[in-house]
This record gives sequence, C-alpha cells and structure tokens, in this order.
Amino acid sequence: GNSVTQMEGPVTLSEEAFLTINCTYTATGYPSLFWYVQYPGEGLQLLLKATKADDKGSNKGFEATYRKETTSFHLEKGSVQVSDSAVYFCALTSGYGQNFVFGPGTRLSVLP
Amino acid sequence: AAGVIQSPRHLIKEKRETATLKCYPIPRHDTVYWYQQGPGQDPQFLISFYEKMQSDKGSIPDRFSAQQFSDYHSELNMSSLELGDSALYFCASRRSSWELFFGEGSRLTVL
Repeated sequence: GNSVTQMEGPVTLSEEAFLTINCTYTATGYPSLFWYVQYPGEGLQLLLKATKADDKGSNKGFEATYRKETTSFHLEKGSVQVSDSAVYFCALTSGYGQNFVFGPGTRLSVLP
Repeated sequence: AAGVIQSPRHLIKEKRETATLKCYPIPRHDTVYWYQQGPGQDPQFLISFYEKMQSDKGSIPDRFSAQQFSDYHSELNMSSLELGDSALYFCASRRSSWELFFGEGSRLTVL
C-alpha cells in the first residue's frame, strides 16, 4: 500500500536558518504529493502541492519538488521565521476519490 | 470563503458513553473524509463518503459509524467510548481537485 516517511523531529532552528524536511514515499502509479501544516490548536492547512513528476510546489517561501526517480518531496525554506513554528505533514493521494495518506509529521520550532 | 465546519469543537464524555460529531463540508464539495489524530500522532484515515455513499474505509473501529446526509453534511457516531478514543477528529472535504480542505477539528476527551 501507499506510505509516506518523514524525517523525525523535533527540528529546532534559529530564525533565518535554512530548513529542509525530508519526505519519501511509496505508492503505486503516479501519486499527487502535498505538504500540510498544522499550527498549534488548529486544523491542517495545505501548504503546497505537486501533481506530477518534476513539478515544484511553492508557497510562503516554502518549496518542494516532486522527484519520481528518488520518490521524494523534500520541503525547503531559505530563511525560517518564528511564525513558521508548526507541525509539517507530507501526504499523498493516488487519485481523485482515493484517501490521503499522511506521514508522521515533523515538529518545527524556530527560536528568535 | 466558507470553510469546513465541525461541531462541537470540544466534547467531554465518560467511558461507555456515546458521542456524535458533525461535519459541514464546503458548499458543493461532494466528498467528505474523517480522520482521527491522537496526541502527537499523524492523522489516521477513518472513513470517507462520495455523493452520500461510503467510498473508502480505513481504521475505523466497529463501535464507530458514520453517514453522509442529503445536504452533504456528515456525522460520526461513536459508541461504547474508551479512553483511547480521546483524540482530535478532523473532517475534510474536496471536489474536483486534489486539495483536501480540513476543518479545525473536534477534540474528544473520554474520562
């Protein structure tokens, strides 16, 4: 079945540091890939997505590129802010109507 | 813009009691998903509905049931509650796109 693996947290960075959160997946066919973010006490919000190989999703300074050859979708940001402190979930779906599979989440704490 | 509405936001129950959570998807969204998120855990898929029919089933206990009504809202019914059912329950909806829109969740505490 489909599965998502993420780097374990928590990740603690200083403000303006470079962020990478690794995500790899196992799936049949050609899944769509997502990063969701969960701020404290809130629901999950879509951060960015990529629906085919070599697509780059980007939003709020975050980027991730769909790499089919390495089955990866690593999340990056060049300069993190305190407000980026949250839990980040990598996710995939195999197709419309199929359920989403989430990774275990990576907690990011950014210190001023 | 309208979002996914969940109610109640917080619910406290005793063991062996019953609880019902409600989800109102974004208007014109035809698919609803329910997820359970335990403390420090990733969301676990419970069940989904497409056009009021169950479309997929995940790790939903037999004590739980759900349905989607003619107005597309969905209800998750949980009976014989156990301590381990304490979690955040998310509803999400989508239509004709890959993106899944989540509600803010209903936090269930079983004492």
